[in-house]
Amino acid sequence: ETGVTQSPTHLIKTRGQQVTLRCSSQSGHNTVSWYQQALGQGPQFIFQYYREEENGRGNFPPRFSGLQFPNYSSELNVNALELDDSALYLCASSSQGGSYNEQFFGPGTRLTVL
Amino acid sequence: RKEVEQDPGPFNVPEGATVAFNCTYSNSASQSFFWYRQDCRKEPKLLMSVYSSGNEDGRFTAQLNRASQYISLLIRDSKLSDSATYLCVVKLAGNDMRFGAGTRLTVKP
Repeated sequence: ETGVTQSPTHLIKTRGQQVTLRCSSQSGHNTVSWYQQALGQGPQFIFQYYREEENGRGNFPPRFSGLQFPNYSSELNVNALELDDSALYLCASSSQGGSYNEQFFGPGTRLTVL
Repeated sequence: RKEVEQDPGPFNVPEGATVAFNCTYSNSASQSFFWYRQDCRKEPKLLMSVYSSGNEDGRFTAQLNRASQYISLLIRDSKLSDSATYLCVVKLAGNDMRFGAGTRLTVKP
């Protein structure tokens, strides 16, 4: 069984740039959730994708957007980067979109905005 | 007020000690409750779900009090390998998962 993978592992951008982060879900999972984890804080829910549609969203501005592909992999796009966007971005996959099943997290992408 | 609040920690305990973590949540519509564990520079991993009747998994016991909006985690006979940050997690409607800031535990020989 292949676990959740994310790419890249680290990324450095400057303010105003755009970034795309990628996530491959665990084999057999059809739901991907994205989280932002600032240093010393718990993860904050950005949004979830199920069957290629957004299926719930946290309190993040529209410049945070996403996609899910037919193979259930997903992308997180952030436009107009701000310094406060510096964080660890985690994706988590699970097997259903309508109810909670255990979410398996990937190792994360550490984004630094200068 | 944060939606999910945890003991600030850090907790430094000797091997074999019993340690308890508390968590409160503000949204009475919260549906499901969990404890996750996160090792330094690693991703969070589910430790256990928390049920109203209370539940136990080996040395770990979780309790939920919906009336008080309070969740707890008890670890008995602490091991060195229990050193980690413990995250209290609450699921709202619409798949929105709210994490606490975490409580760091260090178990010392």
